[in-house]
Amino acid sequence: AQTVTQSQPEMSVQEAETVTLSCTYDTSESNYYLFWYKQPPSRQMILVIRQEAYKQQNATENRFSVNFQKAAKSFSLKISDSQLGDTAMYFCAFTNNNNDMRFGAGTRLTVKP
Amino acid sequence: DTAVSQTPKYLVTQMGNDKSIKCEQNLGHDTMYWYKQDSKKFLKIMFSYNNKELIINETVPNRFSPKSPDKAHLNLHINSLELGDSAVYFCASSQGTGGNQIHGYTFGSGTRLTVV
Repeated sequence: AQTVTQSQPEMSVQEAETVTLSCTYDTSESNYYLFWYKQPPSRQMILVIRQEAYKQQNATENRFSVNFQKAAKSFSLKISDSQLGDTAMYFCAFTNNNNDMRFGAGTRLTVKP
Repeated sequence: DTAVSQTPKYLVTQMGNDKSIKCEQNLGHDTMYWYKQDSKKFLKIMFSYNNKELIINETVPNRFSPKSPDKAHLNLHINSLELGDSAVYFCASSQGTGGNQIHGYTFGSGTRLTVV
């Protein structure tokens, strides 16, 4: 079974600085998909960024980028120029072709003014 | 228009009661899911339906029964509610299988269930 591990339960960053959230996963599949979701206090799950395993180029969405290391099974999220609105829980997630998305335990990020 | 809508958003009920949570998606997706988020924020899949057929049924008590009248709806009925059922329940949908998984899941806003 696939597992997703987020080793940082909590992190904080100063406004305008950069922070990196870690995620590792375990799978025997060669083709799969990775995601980062954001859950602010409103509770809504918001897709931040996604990556296809067969693409070597790291995905980027505005201030959000990933460092995808397939051999190491690592998928970290970098948030540049952190904003107060980035304060949220961040979940790393994995899915393959089996219609089953697995989530890490989450990292609670606090952006400090 | 809300893509995935769940009702109710909040539900407070007594132990032993039976309750339902409804979910509807207007995205034309083929697959729908129920996830449970516990007090520690851990998200765990409960059920998955593809075109009205059950495809994932994780280890969930029999008191939980999903119903999918059509591919746009997936409701969750819970019998004999227990204190441990208190959680946030999320409905989600996705495009389908294979390469469509790149689009990820679209989530509803969640239903906070409190059993007293």
